[in-house]
Amino acid sequence: DAGITQSPRHKVTETGTPVTLRCHQTENHRYMYWYRQDPGHGLRLIHYSYGVKDTDKGEVSDGYSVSRSKTEDFLLTLESATSSQTSVYFCAISESTSVYEQYFGPGTRLTVT
Amino acid sequence: GNSVTQMEGPVTLSEEAFLTINCTYTATGYPSLFWYVQYPGEGLQLLLKATKADDKGSNKGFEATYRKETTSFHLEKGSVQVSDSAVYFCALMGNQGGKLIFGQGTELSVKP
Repeated sequence: DAGITQSPRHKVTETGTPVTLRCHQTENHRYMYWYRQDPGHGLRLIHYSYGVKDTDKGEVSDGYSVSRSKTEDFLLTLESATSSQTSVYFCAISESTSVYEQYFGPGTRLTVT
Repeated sequence: GNSVTQMEGPVTLSEEAFLTINCTYTATGYPSLFWYVQYPGEGLQLLLKATKADDKGSNKGFEATYRKETTSFHLEKGSVQVSDSAVYFCALMGNQGGKLIFGQGTELSVKP
């Protein structure tokens, strides 16, 4: 199994508070991704990174920001959480030479009340 | 834009039954196609893939053939087991690489 961890695994927070989710990998893969999973929508890409300090937006990036200061860590921040951001968040990684094969972390269940 | 459509679930089958989960796609160019599986409480795992037309991906008894003429990538298994109970996602990656587009997922429940 690819070495990907996410923290926290579960979080309940109130509307308007900032939240940061962490993805950590031990594989030294270049590409990292954040997805959210919602019923009826499958997984949708929020942001991705193609190297340290190199990030770009996905299809549902509004309300989210990311940072990658080290190869192994990719942070997802909700600046001011809203109830519509209640979801399960997955991090994924891939090697640069086989970018189409992505490995997923265990997920973080976030509830915004 | 690119999109993936899967048959709606849940799909409930008896053990040893034949499984088909339909997946069709819309994409420009020649995308790569994937099936991912998510077991309860876990992240997604790559089940199989096909990168060009007429390729057949296979793994753990599951198969899917990349049909460009019908823009389909249906998942099949000849004899399902209780342990196959999971959510299955069809996905594509376009020519630009990197970004996976997922279908909405199909939940499979296999009863003994």
